[in-house]
Amino acid sequence: RKEVEQDPGPFNVPEGATVAFNCTYSNSASQSFFWYRQDCRKEPKLLMSVYSSGNEDGRFTAQLNRASQYISLLIRDSKLSDSATYLCVVTLTGGGNKLTFGTGTQLKVEL
Amino acid sequence: ETGVTQTPRHLVMGMTNKKSLKCEQHLGHNAMYWYKQSAKKPLELMFVYSLEERVENNSVPSRFSPECPNSSHLFLHLHTLQPEDSALYLCASSQDLAGASPNEKLFFGSGTQLSVL
Repeated sequence: RKEVEQDPGPFNVPEGATVAFNCTYSNSASQSFFWYRQDCRKEPKLLMSVYSSGNEDGRFTAQLNRASQYISLLIRDSKLSDSATYLCVVTLTGGGNKLTFGTGTQLKVEL
Repeated sequence: ETGVTQTPRHLVMGMTNKKSLKCEQHLGHNAMYWYKQSAKKPLELMFVYSLEERVENNSVPSRFSPECPNSSHLFLHLHTLQPEDSALYLCASSQDLAGASPNEKLFFGSGTQLSVL
């Protein structure tokens, strides 16, 4: 089983749609969770951290389910500019660098 | 602009060449990283430096040799690479070592797209 698993997509959605991505992780000791965004031929950039209670940043909502070991990202009212690859990142804290990336989910928002 | 600068942006090299990738961060961070990104694969961590000391080497072949002369600069020296080494090489930095403290975030450079012929 992969340490961090994502559906690669692509997810093709019309502008204005709501879309959700899931990401599962295998290590129950994982403690920090993030979503990064990577545009085509660009570097990854932090989109948002994921907190235990769930958190929202504008049109983006992130949730964590520790019991089922998955995190999710919900994008409401999709914009063309949301088209990118969304990377799930999981970190084990407590010594050493154990930051693990998923392969990413590609989103294409269309007119 | 993320405050992490990588050069060159593109590099084509033969298998017998020697080249170096350069990374500079202007954020005052203490940790720096080299990642490899190949098509359809997750980012692979290659090397980690914390306060100029290498703290992780993820079984990377010796044809890749990192150097961290100070906390702002990181190099990746390349020698006798193979075609399968063609990939996007990303440098990143963080305030402190990711994994040592919660919610430590990475700031990436734009990457070097490397092609080995």
